[in-house]
Amino acid sequence: SAVISQKPSRDICQRGTSLTIQCQVDSQVTMMFWYRQQPGQSLTLIATANQGSEATYESGFVIDKFPISRPNLTFSTLTVSNMSPEDSSIYLCSVATFIPWRAFFGQGTRLTVV
Amino acid sequence: DAKTTQPNSMESNEEEPVHLPCNHSTISGTDYIHWYRQLPSQGPEYVIHGLTSNVNNRMASLAIAEDRKSSTLILHRATLRDAAVYYCILRDEAGANNLFFGTGTRLTVIP
Repeated sequence: SAVISQKPSRDICQRGTSLTIQCQVDSQVTMMFWYRQQPGQSLTLIATANQGSEATYESGFVIDKFPISRPNLTFSTLTVSNMSPEDSSIYLCSVATFIPWRAFFGQGTRLTVV
Repeated sequence: DAKTTQPNSMESNEEEPVHLPCNHSTISGTDYIHWYRQLPSQGPEYVIHGLTSNVNNRMASLAIAEDRKSSTLILHRATLRDAAVYYCILRDEAGANNLFFGTGTRLTVIP
């Protein structure tokens, strides 16, 4: 199993600013992901955080807006840049473990942009 | 990844069994059927998964149709704590290591 800690759990930010969300895992994991959950919606994958290389972004998400760092196998950050009210969402960190394959999620970071 | 179809919402009385259906008519031979649930203000959590045979664990049971085009998550005795959004997700064992979430079923448990 994997226990994921996300910080901050929530924040209210001014438009035009940036917020960096941290994700810490209690064990080394190869696969780490960032999801967004807009109000009342399901989860959408933003990107796969790759250790030692650039993140792999899904369609509709770009590095300039959502830069991701993955310095080691237990930690990652997601930055939401130049925020607008449309970025108000819950951002979730997730990891996958193998044998058996299973996904684990953090509690999420609830972001409100005003 | 193949798509799943679930009812938007369901209700159940407390301490009664709940059957949550999922249709996945385009499932492929290497797709596992995963169920996750998201309790209020929390990230999703694993419930159960299976390939062809029915599966049981301490949280729930998973009944898979013989043709694998549908499945049912069974909560044997719903409690208030089971109120959540339940996601039925297909994952190709040889495919990506992330999950693609549909809209899920919001389960309301009535005391």
